Parts: sequence; C-alpha cells; structure tokens
Amino acid sequence: DAKTTQPTSMDCAEGRAANLPCNHSTISGNEYVYWYRQIHSQGPQYIIHGLKNNETNEMASLIITEDRKSSTLILPHATLRDTAVYYCIGRSSGSARQLTFGSGTQLTVLP
Amino acid sequence: GAVVSQHPSWVICKSGTSVKIECRSLDFQATTMFWYRQFPKQSLMLMATSNEGSKATYEQGVEKDKFLINHASLTLSTLTVTSAHPEDSSFYICSASVASGYSYNEQFFGPGTRLTVL
Repeated sequence: DAKTTQPTSMDCAEGRAANLPCNHSTISGNEYVYWYRQIHSQGPQYIIHGLKNNETNEMASLIITEDRKSSTLILPHATLRDTAVYYCIGRSSGSARQLTFGSGTQLTVLP
Repeated sequence: GAVVSQHPSWVICKSGTSVKIECRSLDFQATTMFWYRQFPKQSLMLMATSNEGSKATYEQGVEKDKFLINHASLTLSTLTVTSAHPEDSSFYICSASVASGYSYNEQFFGPGTRLTVL
C-alpha cells in the first residue's frame, strides 16, 4: 500500500468547509485513495474513496490531483460532530486485505 | 449499509483471566475479518487476519497462543485474550470484508471493545 502523509492536526470553524490534505506520492496506478475517520472511542467509519476522478457523496468530496500524488478531503459544512481523526489510505480495491492506518489528522471543529 | 457489531463494548477483568470478544457481521457474510488493536493516542495496528474455516494469519510480534482467533462462520469471529495482563489493556476493533455484492466500501468496522486488565 502507498505511504501517505497527513498533517497531525487541524482546526476548523463550525459551518465552514474543512479541507484535509494528504500526500501519496508513491501511489501506484491501481491503488485507490480511501478516507476513513474515527471519532473518539469508536470504530473507523468509511467516508469516501476514489481512483483519479473527483468524487462526492453525502458526507464529503474527494479531490485528487491529476498526477495522483495528493488529494484533499472536503467536508463542506463542518459540524462539531465531525471532530475526529481522519485517515487517508492508499490501497488496491477489490481484494480482501487489511487497511494500513497511518497517524491521520486530528480535525477539531470549533464552535 | 453493512453493520458489524462487537460484544462486549467494554470489559474489565483481573490479571490472569481470559476474555472473549465477539465480532459479528449482521446483514452480510464476511469471508474475511480483521482484528486491530489501538493503544491510547495511537493509530490502529493490525493483529491478525481471520478467514472463515481456516487458521488466522497473525502479524509479526502478535502471539497466536495468547490471542486466539476463531472464525467458525461467515458472520462470526471471536478473539480470546488468554491470561490477560495489564499491558493487554487496549481498544480492540474488528472489521469485516464483504464476500460479494459491494463495489465501494469493502470493509466495515465494529464499534470496538475496550479491555481493561487490572
């Protein structure tokens, strides 16, 4: 799986967009970028994933650069409930393999 | 969506006793389940991969005789921490990989089990 690099922590004002960056310069052509988050003392929750096109779902948007070396997860209107550790993971899809979690980004949404 | 449950959600036990944690996929069949451990302020670390009907594959440094894993059916995997010691106190999380029918979210996580060994 590709090595990913994320900032240790970020703050965001409630109601504003939260933009979480991730570098994955060694990602291979068949590896997807997955985003999970973990609210304190809970199991990880899937957010979104993509290969090379931008993706959007009810939770977030994922913007992947054209060279696929980095991506940004966007929470359009952050709420206090979005305070969590966000993990960016590079992984081949379609295979039953484990997810390798890095240290992630602690996002704190401030009132 | 696919739901994974864990039982118990938290447990406190005395040193030297054994504790069993259950992981169930409630509305889908999981051919593969994963067990992770998470210490305070750290990330999730994979302990073992459990395939239905076969022996689990343990990560380096994880004692298979101490952390017994049984995956007897497509909806249930159990992790037994034998002769637990205070250093085994941690947050244990399972995830289940969908056998078929899903093309997006391939792994679903349980809510975790907080183990405290006194």
